[in-house]
Amino acid sequence: AQSVTQPDIHITVSEGASLELRCNYSYGATPYLFWYVQSPGQGLQLLLKYFSGDTLVQGIKGFEAEFKRSQSSFNLRKPSVHWSDAAEYFCAVGYNQGGKLIFGQGTELSVKP
Amino acid sequence: ETGVTQTPRHLVMGMTNKKSLKCEQHLGHNAMYWYKQSAKKPLELMFVYSLEERVENNSVPSRFSPECPNSSHLFLHLHTLQPEDSALYLCASSPGLAGRGTQYFGPGTRLLVL
Repeated sequence: AQSVTQPDIHITVSEGASLELRCNYSYGATPYLFWYVQSPGQGLQLLLKYFSGDTLVQGIKGFEAEFKRSQSSFNLRKPSVHWSDAAEYFCAVGYNQGGKLIFGQGTELSVKP
Repeated sequence: ETGVTQTPRHLVMGMTNKKSLKCEQHLGHNAMYWYKQSAKKPLELMFVYSLEERVENNSVPSRFSPECPNSSHLFLHLHTLQPEDSALYLCASSPGLAGRGTQYFGPGTRLLVL
């Protein structure tokens, strides 16, 4: 069955430090991959997406993610974290049909001053 | 208004009440979705509509009743809910149903069932 795993429930980083959030998926075909961010009390905002082509994709707010087929991973990175990045981050896999997105459980990011 | 809007943002209801959640998208999309987000759980897809036709119902209890009168509006009618139904209910829309169609989310309705 298709699934998405975000191994880290909660991560704390210092402001200015680099960040990597992990995402692994299980899916038989080439997936459509997404990262969303959710601030407290808000809906989900799309950070970036991968459909095909260049495996390193750039998103909003200085985030990037790299698709690695051999590792079934789509990890999110940011070189220097800002306090405003504190939020919950969700990785998702899209199916080719049916409009389904399968979400991971989310990773909560805290930023230390 | 732009994007996806949801009303009300917060709702408290008793188990015998009937209420409705409203979602409106201003993006010209053809597909709309209801999700349930409970604490410490992945988002659960509840319903999918495409061109006002329901195409997915993920074993959702009948106390949740969706309605999609047109491609811009989506409702979730609630009746005789249980305390475990307390959650954040998110609406989303996408251009179509293809998996590469990015879903855009509203801010959600925080529901508390007493």
